Amino acid sequence: EPEVTQTPSHQVTQMGQEVILRCVPISNHLYFYWYRQILGQKVEFLVSFYNNEISEKSEIFDDQFSVERPDGSNFTLKIRSTKLEDSAMYFCASSRQFVSNQPQHFGDGTRLSIL
Amino acid sequence: ILNVEQSPQSLHVQEGDSTNFTCSFPSSNFYALHWYRWETAKSPEALFVMTLNGDEKKKGRISATLNTKEGYSYLYIKGSQPEDSATYLCAFNIAAGNKLTFGGGTRVLVKP
Repeated sequence: EPEVTQTPSHQVTQMGQEVILRCVPISNHLYFYWYRQILGQKVEFLVSFYNNEISEKSEIFDDQFSVERPDGSNFTLKIRSTKLEDSAMYFCASSRQFVSNQPQHFGDGTRLSIL
Repeated sequence: ILNVEQSPQSLHVQEGDSTNFTCSFPSSNFYALHWYRWETAKSPEALFVMTLNGDEKKKGRISATLNTKEGYSYLYIKGSQPEDSATYLCAFNIAAGNKLTFGGGTRVLVKP
């Protein structure tokens, strides 16, 4: 069964450094999402992406964050200048189309640790 | 601010017993309620997407019901097995393709 793949599985970065998290969504999916879970908290939405542009973003997704679909397969999340509070598990998800009964399919996540 | 709550936070179940737990969500602007099963170090696995009041869905020994008027959904596990041990997440959205707002999860541990 097709799946969403994320790399790396764990990223350790010094505070202030840039980090890029990578995702390969399921191939015939058109809608892409990033979520994150800070340890002990709920999974929270960051951004959704469709037709090469952001369709919705949360208040967390400030100017330090950006997303890109550089080619036909990858979907990336960049954090320009990481802060300690960016430490979290980051999940990429994709869905096939805008219909009511379609789930979002999630990757295994990237654990981001900021030192 | 949309608030999705799940209870209990965790529960221990004896193998073979049945169990259920709750997800509550805003009853206004409802579009869909999603259930996921999430094992440690794996990706959340989609179980159900429920859209209509009174919906009941079933997948093997796991089933779910939906009440959109009062804003709750129940997930049932019949005859729990150790492999059912996982965190069960519900998530709510207000439009197709819209962000999911998650509850905190119910962590289920099935003891042999």
